[in-house]
Amino acid sequence: IAGITQAPTSQILAAGRRMTLRCTQDMRHNAMYWYRQDLGLGLRLIHYSNTAGTTGKGEVPDGYSVSRANTDDFPLTLASAVPSQTSVYFCASSGTAETDTQYFGPGTRLTVL
Amino acid sequence: GQNIDQPTEMTATEGAIVQINCTYQTSGFNGLFWYQQHAGEAPTFLSYNVLDGLEEKGRFSSFLSRSKGYSYLLLKELQMKDSASYLCAVTGSNYQLIWGAGTKLIIKP
Repeated sequence: IAGITQAPTSQILAAGRRMTLRCTQDMRHNAMYWYRQDLGLGLRLIHYSNTAGTTGKGEVPDGYSVSRANTDDFPLTLASAVPSQTSVYFCASSGTAETDTQYFGPGTRLTVL
Repeated sequence: GQNIDQPTEMTATEGAIVQINCTYQTSGFNGLFWYQQHAGEAPTFLSYNVLDGLEEKGRFSSFLSRSKGYSYLLLKELQMKDSASYLCAVTGSNYQLIWGAGTKLIIKP
C-alpha cells in the first residue's frame, strides 16, 4: 500500500451498534487525525495523535474513541452509534503535528439509521 | 473565537481566472493551507503560506496577508477539471488545523 487507506469504504449501521473505522498509513508519519465532514460545514477534528502512544481530543470528540498502539494504525470507534454520527469520516496523517501538510485517506461514508 | 470565512459557491468560465478569498480569525497563526476536494473524494494539498506574499505554483497561486487575516487562491486558465471545492485551513496556536466550509467552484464551458 502507498499513502493512507481506510476501511470500510461505506457502511450502514443500526443505531446503538458499535463500529470501528480503520485507518492505516505507510508513510511513517508521526501525527494522525480523524475528521468528520458534513454538508455545509468544514472538516471538524474528532481526535488526533501526535505520536504513537498518545492521543488527544479535537473539536467534536463525544461518542468517539481512538487508540494509537503503533505508528501505522489509528482506528476510530463509535461505542454506540447514533443517527447524528451519519457523516463522511476522513483519516489524515502528517510528518509532525507542527505545520506539516496533512494527507488524507479516501474516506468512509457512514450512515446510522 | 476562531472563524474562517469563504464564499459558499462561485461560478467561472473555462479559460478564465478566478480568485477565491478566505478571511480568518484565530488565536495564534502558524500557517495557511489550501486544499482541493473533488466531489466524493478526499481533500488534496494545493498550497501552504506562512509568510506574507504570493506563492505561485503553475496555474495556481496563493496569497497571504497576516496583518489583514486574509488569503486568496488564484486559479488561471481554468479547466473543467478545476470544478471542485476549495478548502482554506489555518494552523492555530495549538498547531491543529481550523477549516473553512469550502468554496464550491463551478466551471462552465
